[in-house]
Amino acid sequence: AQSVTQLGSHVSVSEGALVLLRCNYSSSVPPYLFWYVQYPNQGLQLLLKYTTGATLVKGINGFEAEFKKSETSFHLTKPSAHMSDAAEYFCAVIISSNTGKLIFGQGTTLQVKP
Amino acid sequence: GAVVSQHPSWVICKSGTSVKIECRSLDFQATTMFWYRQFPKQSLMLMATSNEGSKATYEQGVEKDKFLINHASLTLSTLTVTSAHPEDSSFYICSASAGGSSPDTQYFGPGTRLTVL
Repeated sequence: AQSVTQLGSHVSVSEGALVLLRCNYSSSVPPYLFWYVQYPNQGLQLLLKYTTGATLVKGINGFEAEFKKSETSFHLTKPSAHMSDAAEYFCAVIISSNTGKLIFGQGTTLQVKP
Repeated sequence: GAVVSQHPSWVICKSGTSVKIECRSLDFQATTMFWYRQFPKQSLMLMATSNEGSKATYEQGVEKDKFLINHASLTLSTLTVTSAHPEDSSFYICSASAGGSSPDTQYFGPGTRLTVL
């Protein structure tokens, strides 16, 4: 069965510091992986996705993630945090290439301190 | 591109009434739409998957007679919460994908906050 685990429900960084949000998955087939961001009382916005090809994926707002098959990981990083990055972040994996159903991690709240 | 809207953004209703939530893909044709429910401080829970012109597929534990889903066109899906009760209060989010031969990205609507009194 496919699943997603986000390590750390709450991450706090100082403005300008490195952001690292961890995501590990389990999948019996090649995964398709996504990172979404959610601001309060809003829907989800796609940050980036990995389907095939280059394992280092660049997304919007300076975020990037690297697919590491050997570690079954897809961690999200940003070199320098901005106050506007404070939000909820969800890692997700598609569980079926036919239905496109996503399974989400538990979410990580990113707090950015001035 | 890839904009999904939801209407209304919030609704308050009395217990026992029905509420309809609309989900529209504004600039693409959505062969598949998904409905999620999100409780405070929690992740999204998939309720059902709907394909245009066919019956929705509900996840285990989701009452299909309570949460009626209609996907009448390639740009519109509706979720009707029938005989709503306070425990149905939640944040409902839809998403849409254009489909295709490879797993496609889901684009999410802004969500609808339902409060049942």
